[in-house]
Amino acid sequence: SAVISQKPSRDICQRGTSLTIQCQVDSQVTMMFWYRQQPGQSLTLIATANQGSEATYESGFVIDKFPISRPNLTFSTLTVSNMSPEDSSIYLCSVEVAGGNQPQHFGDGTRLSIL
Amino acid sequence: QKEVEQNSGPLSVPEGAIASLNCTYSDRGSQSFFWYRQYSGKSPELIMSIYSNGDKEDGRFTAQLNKASQYVSLLIRDSQPSDSATYLCALRGTGRRALTFGSGTRLQVQP
Repeated sequence: SAVISQKPSRDICQRGTSLTIQCQVDSQVTMMFWYRQQPGQSLTLIATANQGSEATYESGFVIDKFPISRPNLTFSTLTVSNMSPEDSSIYLCSVEVAGGNQPQHFGDGTRLSIL
Repeated sequence: QKEVEQNSGPLSVPEGAIASLNCTYSDRGSQSFFWYRQYSGKSPELIMSIYSNGDKEDGRFTAQLNKASQYVSLLIRDSQPSDSATYLCALRGTGRRALTFGSGTRLQVQP
């Protein structure tokens, strides 16, 4: 399966600042997704990153707060904007390598703490 | 009703026993089902995929799917302490590409 690299692996940020998380895949993939996993919780989909167009956001997530880019088939970024302590979570990049009923694979995640 | 329901556990089994993890779902149109394992502090790792009714075996793991009853299960035979983790049930719902995850079942295998 594809090798998925996420950067940074962790960060501690100040309230009100923004952080951009990068996701790089070693091969072209059909789909890229961003999930959030809050402490002790399961995974919640933030958005689907669409190559060359605006991301598709899930209910409760908006572009102003979580702008996403996907300039090509191997790279995407998620920005967490104007952070508050409630944004402290693990953010996970996930990819679907091929179409059809293929599973998703995850990067190692970014552990974000907001002070 | 949640889309994907799992008992949060913890499910505690002795080493060498069979661990049985269950998952029910609400979307009858779901076609693809997956089990992921997540160790504490790590990201989810795919264990099994299942698409058709019945059983699918892979080593010590067996996934079972019953679409009529809308449940998926994962059996782990000869459970090892290294199997202690949270197991996430996931599915691809009708008309969706992204997976929807259950809340996970924490498994503890006692040596």
